[in-house]
Amino acid sequence: EPEVTQTPSHQVTQMGQEVILRCVPISNHLYFYWYRQILGQKVEFLVSFYNNEISEKSEIFDDQFSVERPDGSNFTLKIRSTKLEDSAMYFCASSRNTEAFFGQGTRLTVV
Amino acid sequence: DQQVKQNSPSLSVQEGRISILNCDYTNSMFDYFLWYKKYPAEGPTFLISISSIKDKNEDGRFTVFLNKSAKHLSLHIVPSQPGDSAVYFCAASRGAGNNRKLIWGLGTSLAVNP
Repeated sequence: EPEVTQTPSHQVTQMGQEVILRCVPISNHLYFYWYRQILGQKVEFLVSFYNNEISEKSEIFDDQFSVERPDGSNFTLKIRSTKLEDSAMYFCASSRNTEAFFGQGTRLTVV
Repeated sequence: DQQVKQNSPSLSVQEGRISILNCDYTNSMFDYFLWYKKYPAEGPTFLISISSIKDKNEDGRFTVFLNKSAKHLSLHIVPSQPGDSAVYFCAASRGAGNNRKLIWGLGTSLAVNP
């Protein structure tokens, strides 16, 4: 069964460093998303991406964040200068219709 | 801003009995509702959904009921199995088209005891 895959599963980075979280969505899906879940809090929407551009983003998704679909298969989330409060599980998702399918997540720890 | 609320953080039921997970929402513009199941160290897995034009959707052991006037939905699992033990998230979305941003509840941790 096709699935969304994310790498790495766990990333530890120093505050102020750039990180890139990678995702391979399901191949025939057209809509791509990043969500995050800070420990003990809700899953929060970050950004949606369709037709090679951002279609919606939340207030969390500030100038420190960017997304890219560089080669037609990968979908990446870049955080330019990480802060302690960026520590969270980051989930990539993709959809073709209304149900979004999620990857296993990347646990980002900023120290 | 709790647009989607799951007021029970946890629920414990006996194997074979019915599990009922509840979810309330405040935004009347939501028109599509989904339930996801999440095991530790895994991503959310889509379980079942319902459009606002329906009041019930059934898939095997899982049934979702929607009461639009009360802005309430519930997920029924019957019979419950130990493998159903997980965190269940209610999510809602609105708008036309397939590009849907999901608003999530905090989740309910279900424990099904053998």
